[in-house]
Amino acid sequence: AQSVTQLDSHVSVSEGTPVLLRCNYSSSYSPSLFWYVQHPNKGLQLLLKYTSAATLVKGINGFEAEFKKSETSFHLTKPSAHMSDAAEYFCVEARDSGYSTLTFGKGTMLLVSP
Amino acid sequence: DGGITQSPKYLFRKEGQNVTLSCEQNLNHDAMYWYRQDPGQGLRLIYYSQIVNDFQKGDIAEGYSVSREKKESFPLTVTSAQKNPTAFYLCATRAGGIYEQYFGPGTRLTVT
Repeated sequence: AQSVTQLDSHVSVSEGTPVLLRCNYSSSYSPSLFWYVQHPNKGLQLLLKYTSAATLVKGINGFEAEFKKSETSFHLTKPSAHMSDAAEYFCVEARDSGYSTLTFGKGTMLLVSP
Repeated sequence: DGGITQSPKYLFRKEGQNVTLSCEQNLNHDAMYWYRQDPGQGLRLIYYSQIVNDFQKGDIAEGYSVSREKKESFPLTVTSAQKNPTAFYLCATRAGGIYEQYFGPGTRLTVT
């Protein structure tokens, strides 16, 4: 079965410092990958998506992610954290079986201190 | 969230009662999904529907039921058979030809 592994359950950074949230996927095919963000008691918002075009994907709010097939990774980065970035982030893969359903990682909580 | 409505935002029920959660969309998307979210668990798929009058079980369908009589609506019933119903429930939609899903604001269900 497909699985998505988010390597850190919590990441703490200071405002203005870089952010790195790590994700590994398991699909042996060319995957479709996403990062979503969730603020407390809210729905999920799509940050960015990779669908086999450029390996460096730019998203909203200054986030970007790099697809590395050799490492089966899709890490999310941002050069400078803002207080408003504090939220939970989910790495997600479209399932091989028709791509109509998604497999979610367990999430990484990003904490940003002043 | 725009275009997907889930109501109510908070719902309280007594154990043994069935409860129905509402999901409505005006995005004209064909596919609709229900997920359950528990702390530290990510999202788990309960049911999904790709067209009207058709739906499939997801990974954790036991104790839940759905209907899809209209394209715009995909209500989820949490039955008394669901052993641990307290959770945050999220509805999502997907347009044909794309893979990403769009999420509603969620309903937090508490059963005591």
